[in-house]
Amino acid sequence: SQQGEEDPQALSIQEGENATMNCSYKTSINNLQWYRQNSGRGLVHLILIRSNEREKHSGRLRVTLDTSKKSSSLLITASRAADTASYFCATGGQGSNYKLTFGKGTLLTVNP
Amino acid sequence: SQTIHQWPATLVQPVGSPLSLECTVEGTSNPNLYWYRQAAGRGLQLLFYSVGIGQISSEVPQNLSASRPQDRQFILSSKKLLLSDSGFYLCAWSVPNAYEQYFGPGTRLTVT
Repeated sequence: SQQGEEDPQALSIQEGENATMNCSYKTSINNLQWYRQNSGRGLVHLILIRSNEREKHSGRLRVTLDTSKKSSSLLITASRAADTASYFCATGGQGSNYKLTFGKGTLLTVNP
Repeated sequence: SQTIHQWPATLVQPVGSPLSLECTVEGTSNPNLYWYRQAAGRGLQLLFYSVGIGQISSEVPQNLSASRPQDRQFILSSKKLLLSDSGFYLCAWSVPNAYEQYFGPGTRLTVT
């Protein structure tokens, strides 16, 4: 079964606008990650946030994590056409199991 | 730097035929290795993972099997393909004891 659920399923914005995607999950986690997938390609790791962190930044990306609500958000600021892709959250469980569980993704379209 | 290769990139096979997809990783030793399947518009489903040569864990009972004959080689196989085996197959690796995963370019399999 899938742990993470992204919302919205699809998002269309204009270049220069900010894009926010959300992820909810059900069980305790060690960390949460966001990945990007361009059409027909493999996934690219974007950022990892640990369960004891609340916010993390990487370039134009900002990720927040609220473990009390079991949710995370990914903010992409000043979006570009090249940001058009599907974005997935993935949760890593506790313990020595290093498997990830992926959500179904949000398809982001940035219009020039 | 580390590199992950998958081949072939695309494959069209008839129902009942065998399958062999190969994944190799360069530039790292003793990686954890993963096989995922992605159906159209869906998230990733973990099929198999391996923490060492000959050590394979199966996540979903199905028509597929995996083998790890060498440290940085991971093979996905089937003796007889089903229509439901169609999809996008992704191989990934991670450093032992780490959650970040790095994906190959994928193989698009169509079973006809």
